Amino acid sequence: QQPVQSPQAVILREGEDAVINCSSSKALYSVHWYRQKHGEAPVFLMILLKGGEQKGHDKISASFNEKKQQSSLYLTASQLSYSGTYFCGTEDSGGSNYKLTFGKGTLLTVNP
Amino acid sequence: DAGVIQSPRHEVTEMGQEVTLRCKPISGHDYLFWYRQTMMRGLELLIYFNNNVPIDDSGMPEDRFSAKMPNASFSTLKIQPSEPRDSAVYFCASSLTQSTGELFFGEGSRLTVL
Repeated sequence: QQPVQSPQAVILREGEDAVINCSSSKALYSVHWYRQKHGEAPVFLMILLKGGEQKGHDKISASFNEKKQQSSLYLTASQLSYSGTYFCGTEDSGGSNYKLTFGKGTLLTVNP
Repeated sequence: DAGVIQSPRHEVTEMGQEVTLRCKPISGHDYLFWYRQTMMRGLELLIYFNNNVPIDDSGMPEDRFSAKMPNASFSTLKIQPSEPRDSAVYFCASSLTQSTGELFFGEGSRLTVL
């Protein structure tokens, strides 16, 4: 089942912060985050495994709340290069069949 | 490394024609995935392979769609006959490992069926 992302779109000025949420109705084993720029392929950002860990690199970090079946992506002091569509991909717990299901994406626009 | 290579990058065809999309995964990656991207449905997983064997094809929309992976370095996605609603960007991705593995996407094949 497809995870739900919110908001669908967000517009920022350079230097502002943003949070993108991803929620699922199923118990999750892992959450993946990707960014896609217009006309390009999705590019991997990070993976979070169940256990409530938080990860980050540069000024982009994410958390995973296993109990709430939710993940959030935090973009701090946004840069123009952060513009793009952000997708979360979720893998359900309990199955031996690996299946990464993506949300519909959140369009992030960073303006000067 | 050259990354995941897809061809053609763009394909325009008429309804009823056969379409074949091709993918070369990254060498050494055991998993290969075919995704379809549309505005309405986002990124949908169509099928994936592990060591050239199809594992889950539940996302393949209809019998008109078929996928093969004859060896570790080549996969095809075929649509026969094609319909306008098949118009989308088709991505191939490969992964070294299951579950915790990063997906490496190709640049996609944009299909337009008239």
